Amino acid sequence: DVKVTQSSRYLVKRTGEKVFLECVQDMDHENMFWYRQDPGLGLRLIYFSYDVKMKEKGDIPEGYSVSREKKERFSLILESASTNQTSMYLCAIHSLRGRNTEAFFGQGTRLTVV
Amino acid sequence: AQKITQTQPGMFVQEKEAVTLDCTYDTSDPSYGLFWYKQPSSGEMIFLIYQGSYDQQNATEGRYSLNFQKARKSANLVISASQLGDSAMYFCAMGPTGTASKLTFGTGTRLQVTL
Repeated sequence: DVKVTQSSRYLVKRTGEKVFLECVQDMDHENMFWYRQDPGLGLRLIYFSYDVKMKEKGDIPEGYSVSREKKERFSLILESASTNQTSMYLCAIHSLRGRNTEAFFGQGTRLTVV
Repeated sequence: AQKITQTQPGMFVQEKEAVTLDCTYDTSDPSYGLFWYKQPSSGEMIFLIYQGSYDQQNATEGRYSLNFQKARKSANLVISASQLGDSAMYFCAMGPTGTASKLTFGTGTRLQVTL
């Protein structure tokens, strides 16, 4: 089974802090994604990466950056956390199931910025 | 661009009854995949079922079935014989065919199963 692990289930950070959310996968997949989930808005894509040192902006990249130095690890960085970044963050890898994409998710990190 | 619409923010169903969760989509891609995920209160996203746009038959996985109506651009999830453990958030999603690329998610439907 594919395993995607996020380093923290719950985080509380102060406004202005630099925050790192870590995601590790054990299946040697190229494609890794960061989403945020908010009530009434569903999941929205922040950033994704198709390979080491490669990154692409998703739909809502403002206020975030990412790092992928190793294939198995994809980090989401909040350079200066703000209260509107309080959210649930989900890391996923995408792979082909037949001819279609399937996503495997980590357990999620609930971040609160105070 | 792809778009997923889930018009039911919340649904109630009695235990052992069947329930349909609605999902409509919009895309200009000729080939695509449709997915349903379940998110319990613990937060993890659990894959339930998928349907390829080119599949002739509707997908089924145990108590889950996907009512795929391509002309109407709908991909409703049907849960038969609901159980208390089915209480969760349900997300419909779609993605391109042939590449493990981006998925587009709907806003979700919260299902509550009652005794």
